[in-house]
Amino acid sequence: GAVVSQHPSRVICKSGTSVKIECRSLDFQATTMFWYRQFPKKSLMLMATSNEGSKATYEQGVEKDKFLINHASLTLSTLTVTSAHPEDSSFYICSAVRTRNEQFFGPGTRLTVL
Amino acid sequence: QKEVEQDPGPLSVPEGAIVSLNCTYSNSAFQYFMWYRQYSRKGPELLMYTYSSGNKEDGRFTAQVDKSSKYISLFIRDSQPSDSATYLCAMSAVQGAQKLVFGQGTRLTINP
Repeated sequence: GAVVSQHPSRVICKSGTSVKIECRSLDFQATTMFWYRQFPKKSLMLMATSNEGSKATYEQGVEKDKFLINHASLTLSTLTVTSAHPEDSSFYICSAVRTRNEQFFGPGTRLTVL
Repeated sequence: QKEVEQDPGPLSVPEGAIVSLNCTYSNSAFQYFMWYRQYSRKGPELLMYTYSSGNKEDGRFTAQVDKSSKYISLFIRDSQPSDSATYLCAMSAVQGAQKLVFGQGTRLTINP
């Protein structure tokens, strides 16, 4: 099966700092990756669509200057949470599209902002 | 009204029981329907994928889609303790697995 990894799996940072989360498709190329956010006992909320070689498309209500997305290659997308605050603490999950009908998820990154 | 409604549970059943999980939706443009399983602190894992209305079976799992009622179901037969997880329905109006809209997820526990 297709494998998507995320790094780091957990991160704790101080308020005001920036945190970068990596999402990699290990055994396939992904033109499109998605970034989701999940609060405890809540569903996944799509934050943005990341397309290789072009600017990300953000969902309504998601601050693009706060959540910087870079999809520099067909196997790597990064999400940078800039000037993080406690309300940014959440579980961030990426997914990568292998074909039009297949979307594979990473294991998630738990961010805690103190 | 949320686009996709799913009872969060929790749902607890004895081992071997048949489990029925359901979602309703309001957007008639949804054409692609998926069920994901998510273990605690892990990413979702695709279980079933269905296009339009009808049934699909894969081992102990059966997915049903009734577009006229805007209602989808996942049935798990001969449930096992290892099936204990959160089950999320997801839907898309765009071909394939693009731009998914997720239900809240139902937390399921199978008791030995």
